[in-house]
Amino acid sequence: DAEITQSPRHKITETGRQVTLACHQTWNHNNMFWYRQDLGHGLRLIHYSYGVQDTNKGEVSDGYSVSRSNTEDLPLTLESAASSQTSVYFCASSEAGTNQPQHFGDGTRLSIL
Amino acid sequence: GIQVEQSPPDLILQEGANSTLRCNFSDSVNNLQWFHQNPWGQLINLFYIPSGTKQNGRLSATTVATERYSLLYISSSQTTDSGVYFCAVGLYGQNFVFGPGTRLSVLP
Repeated sequence: DAEITQSPRHKITETGRQVTLACHQTWNHNNMFWYRQDLGHGLRLIHYSYGVQDTNKGEVSDGYSVSRSNTEDLPLTLESAASSQTSVYFCASSEAGTNQPQHFGDGTRLSIL
Repeated sequence: GIQVEQSPPDLILQEGANSTLRCNFSDSVNNLQWFHQNPWGQLINLFYIPSGTKQNGRLSATTVATERYSLLYISSSQTTDSGVYFCAVGLYGQNFVFGPGTRLSVLP
């Protein structure tokens, strides 16, 4: 069955370090998204991609970057981790076109000390 | 941008009871999706329902886009229904905006 996999599931790191969260989908979806989930804020969009070599900023993109070199993967990088980036991160994918149903990974819980 | 409200913010039910969760949005939207986040944090698709009514077992949903709301019905609730329910809405050419969620606790 097609799926979307995030790794690692849990990570603890220190402020100032570079961190990369992986997202891999086997749905063959064009669209991929990264969200963060914080208490009191629900899910907020960080970055998204509508296809290979396409990346776009979302609502809360500062301090994050993504790259899309193939259809299956959209890694999320925190260039210099800050304590404010402690959160649960979700990756999602959907078929081409806007507002298609999104399928989510199981999330990565990131703690920055 | 679009504002999304969900009500009630919290709901406690006895097992077997029925409930209605509401999602209001500030602008006409073309798409709407309901999710359940279980106690383990997983986000599960429930319905993709830009308009009309859909049913899946004990759950059903109705969206009236012209009146800017959607309803999620849970009948004969079970403890496994506990968690947070999110609606997400979208306009053509724009990404989904998520509501703050309704936290449901079903007691045995």
